[in-house]
Amino acid sequence: GAVVSQHPSWVICKSGTSVKIECRSLDFQATTMFWYRQFPKQSLMLMATSNEGSKATYEQGVEKDKFLINHASLTLSTLTVTSAHPEDSSFYICSARRGFSGANVLTFGAGSRLTVL
Amino acid sequence: LAKTTQPISMDSYEGQEVNITCSHNNIATNDYITWYQQFPSQGPRFIIQGYKTKVTNEVASLFIPADRKSSTLSLPRVSLSDTAVYYCLVVNTGFQKLVFGTGTRLLVSP
Repeated sequence: GAVVSQHPSWVICKSGTSVKIECRSLDFQATTMFWYRQFPKQSLMLMATSNEGSKATYEQGVEKDKFLINHASLTLSTLTVTSAHPEDSSFYICSARRGFSGANVLTFGAGSRLTVL
Repeated sequence: LAKTTQPISMDSYEGQEVNITCSHNNIATNDYITWYQQFPSQGPRFIIQGYKTKVTNEVASLFIPADRKSSTLSLPRVSLSDTAVYYCLVVNTGFQKLVFGTGTRLLVSP
């Protein structure tokens, strides 16, 4: 149980275009999802916290108009990279919280690799 | 926000036990300690979570001293497939500011 599906797993786009990445919790409801980006050989960097039915909370230095997050349902959050540029090329990972019996665990998607040409 | 500190890298050989320690000096009362494993180009995978003392599951053990300012992930008899980056994450019940540290890059050799 507790599966998070991320789509697409990889995408290549031209500079200036927008790319949408979907994150779905398949077998549980996720009121909160988190979006991370990861550059090669580096740790995960938290970009934003996505809350169902409300605006996302962005970390300092992350442009909210550049990285649009929508969490319209309890099982789906989307990240749209608008007007993508080569420096936006990265590995984007979403995660969702699952809680049971007092444990609080993050379940991660498989990640989406974005390459902007 | 509990900051975590881990060794950047560790080397081991197949069949050995590996212990990775994480420091989290300002851990709060409501915080849990969670460890994740990440392979290249994949999302992190949950390994184990604990609050205090010792927790064991089918893949690892987690040792947490009484003051909870550190924790040690123990991997028994590692294999080549355990080569990965291991992250220690302090999670509070409010799930606020889930910031990853540097992680520990474990290399298992034959």
